[in-house]
Amino acid sequence: GQNIDQPTEMTATEGAIVQINCTYQTSGFNGLFWYQQHAGEAPTFLSYNVLDGLEEKGRFSSFLSRSKGYSYLLLKELQMKDSASYLCAVRDIRRTTGFQKLVFGTGTRLLVSP
Amino acid sequence: DSGVTQTPKHLITATGQRVTLRCSPRSGDLSVYWYQQSLDQGLQFLIQYYNGEERAKGNILERFSAQQFPDLHSELNLSSLELGDSALYFCASSPRGAGGNTGELFFGEGSRLTVL
Repeated sequence: GQNIDQPTEMTATEGAIVQINCTYQTSGFNGLFWYQQHAGEAPTFLSYNVLDGLEEKGRFSSFLSRSKGYSYLLLKELQMKDSASYLCAVRDIRRTTGFQKLVFGTGTRLLVSP
Repeated sequence: DSGVTQTPKHLITATGQRVTLRCSPRSGDLSVYWYQQSLDQGLQFLIQYYNGEERAKGNILERFSAQQFPDLHSELNLSSLELGDSALYFCASSPRGAGGNTGELFFGEGSRLTVL
């Protein structure tokens, strides 16, 4: 099975930097993803890591350490519109069939204040 | 607009009833996923179909069933509904199993089910 942990809620100030951590345990790891979800809306894809290291995309960066089962999402120059839930998701591959599924953590609600 | 269409957007029904949620994936996407999101809960994976066949199953109740049709649209059937089934049900699609090279899933806007 899979186990994904991330903080329930975080707060930060506009213009600041925030790091959202995610730890996971899975038997068939094949990639880690971050999605953003505004309240009542569909999740939208932010980033993808399959190899160790940092992936940077504008104000957002995501880091992965496979040996530690650890990832973080780094948000810089926070804006009010960044207030949302951030979902860590692990792609798990079933070795017997090769088929994969994406399993989500419960998400971290980020509140950005002025 | 992700290109994934879900209907209905909102549904209110009573306990014991049965409902069907419908999903049309993005054009060309073969994989369809169903997720349930209850209030303050994460996305719970229910089931995945690929080109008409079931590929992976999550914590889907026996009262729930799904299928993917030859035209690749999918339906999620929820029966003997209970109060706890009230949730947002999301459908997502991807070109191949779990999003191909990048794993990106494209989510519909969801169907909000309220069971009274």
